[in-house]
Parts: sequence; C-alpha cells; structure tokens
Amino acid sequence: KQEVTQIPAALSVPEGENLVLNCSFTDSAIYNLQWFRQDPGKGLTSLLLIQSSQREQTSGRLNASLDKSSGRSTLYIAASQPGDSATYLCAVPANQAGTALIFGKGTTLSVSS
Amino acid sequence: EAGVAQSPRYKIIEKRQSVAFWCNPISGHATLYWYQQILGQGPKLLIQFQNNGVVDDSQLPKDRFSAERLKGVDSTLKIQPAKLEDSAVYLCASSLDRAGGYTFGSGTRLTVV
Repeated sequence: KQEVTQIPAALSVPEGENLVLNCSFTDSAIYNLQWFRQDPGKGLTSLLLIQSSQREQTSGRLNASLDKSSGRSTLYIAASQPGDSATYLCAVPANQAGTALIFGKGTTLSVSS
Repeated sequence: EAGVAQSPRYKIIEKRQSVAFWCNPISGHATLYWYQQILGQGPKLLIQFQNNGVVDDSQLPKDRFSAERLKGVDSTLKIQPAKLEDSAVYLCASSLDRAGGYTFGSGTRLTVV
C-alpha cells in the first residue's frame, strides 16, 4: 500500500532564504508526482506535475525533483517571500491504473518579513 | 476556464442530521473525485467517478455516505446521519486524463456539533 511522508511538518524561515521541502513514497512504481499548495481555508492549487520519465520540473522560483528509485521528491523554493506562506502537499497516484491520489500530511511553511 | 465549483462553503449541523454537498467540475473533465481532509491531514479519497460510473469507492463509509454523478457532470455527496468525526473539509476535484493535473474546488468545511 502506497504511503507518502513529508518532512518537516512545519518550517519557519526569514524572507529571502532558499529552502527545501521533502517528500518520500513507499512504492516507486508511480507514473507521476504532484506538488500542491494549500492556503488556509482554501482548496489545493497544483504547482508542479512531474512525469515518471522526468527528473525535474521548474516553474518560476519553484523547482521539483523526482528520484523514483529512492522514492523521494524535493521541492526547492528560491528566495522565499511572505506570500509563499502556505501548506505544501505532495501526492502520488494510488496505483498504476488509476488517477486517484495519495497525499502526504503536508509541510506548513511560514516566511517572515 | 472556470474552476471547480462547490457549495456550500461552510455548514454546521448537529450529529445525526443529514447534509449534502454539491460539485460542478470543469467542463469536459470526465473524472471527478471527492476527498475528505481532516484538520492536519492530507486529503483522503472518498469516491472517484469516470463520467457517471463509480471507479473507486473503497474508502467511502457506505453506511452513512452516498454520492452520485448524474449525467456525468454535477455530483452530490451526502452524509446521513452525520457523526462528530465527519467534521472535515470536503474537496471536489476533476481531471481530464492521466497525463493532466488536477483542479480542486475551494471545498466545503463541515462542522458537526
């Protein structure tokens, strides 16, 4: 059964710092991995989708990497800003055939000005 | 394109009462999902529809939860009777296919007192 773990659970940094959020999964037979952002009281916003054939994806100040063999992904945020404060969730498909997702518990990021 | 619409945004009910949530997915998205997110946890899949057929409802508490997707578009999720542990945010999402990402609605926050 696929399980997703995110470390750390919470992170506080001053504005301008570069930071890394970690995600690990138990079953490496995934066809993609997604990173989402969730603001308090809001739904989830998709940030980056990495297909299994890719090693990384970039969008602006965000860079996500995927290492299937080790069951790990990282989300790198460059030059953090107070507006980056949110919960970041990692998710993988529950199985090869379907599209339902298994989520980690998330990392809650707080960036202070 | 319009996002995934959900209503209501908030609902407070007493235990043993019934409640219903509504979701309108992105036009053309064949797959619709209902997730339950308990405070401090990642979303957990309740049910997945492909058009108007159920693909996965293995984690739906069928003694109290029901869902339908008539005509393969809108969907409703019902809880009857509600329990205190049903207090959570209920998120609806839709996707086009395996290669595409998800789009989530803003969710319905249910409080059972």
